[in-house]
Amino acid sequence: EAQVTQNPRYLITVTGKKLTVTCSQNMNHEYMSWYRQDPGLGLRQIYYSMNVEVTDKGDVPEGYKVSRKEKRNFPLILESPSPNQTSLYFCGSRGSSYEQYFGPGTRLTVT
Amino acid sequence: AQRVTQPEKLLSVFKGAPVELKCNYSYSGSPELFWYVQYSRQRLQLLLRHISRESIKGFTADLNKGETSFHLKKPFAQEEDSAMYYCALSGLVNTDKLIFGTGTRLQVFP
Repeated sequence: EAQVTQNPRYLITVTGKKLTVTCSQNMNHEYMSWYRQDPGLGLRQIYYSMNVEVTDKGDVPEGYKVSRKEKRNFPLILESPSPNQTSLYFCGSRGSSYEQYFGPGTRLTVT
Repeated sequence: AQRVTQPEKLLSVFKGAPVELKCNYSYSGSPELFWYVQYSRQRLQLLLRHISRESIKGFTADLNKGETSFHLKKPFAQEEDSAMYYCALSGLVNTDKLIFGTGTRLQVFP
């Protein structure tokens, strides 16, 4: 089944403790992105990748890192999480069409 | 700057009533515009893209470049249409940026 998977689905952590949220797609898509969804703000793009080893900032990249060492994986790294990064995170991927396929979301709480 | 505006946070209608979810955009180039839908406890999924000019689940959306709008319409709302709807803009040159509006929650009452 073609899909985008994210892990973990739920995470509660403390300020400053490094964490990684994984994202994987099995559709051989070139493009992958990370978004955060906050009430009243909709979805905002954090980072995107147009291919292996090619990443670029979205609208809200501060406090996040990404890497794209393999085509299928695009992990999101929070080196020193803060409470304002409490949010619902979505990973997305797309091929040559503009349709984004989204993962199920990761709900992160930083205390 | 590129921007997508959805002026309504909540739209409530009764079953069978017409629905129009508004979307306006700001972009000087040739935009690609989309409507994404998120049903309760489900992941975001594509509903429509302007370039395909198709009707999905009875919804249509027409790109009006003069008014920079891409409103989503359905003549007769159904209860199962209740969801969060996001308008999104893409097509920015040399990037894979996708800019979402803040979303409109559609509630369809029986």
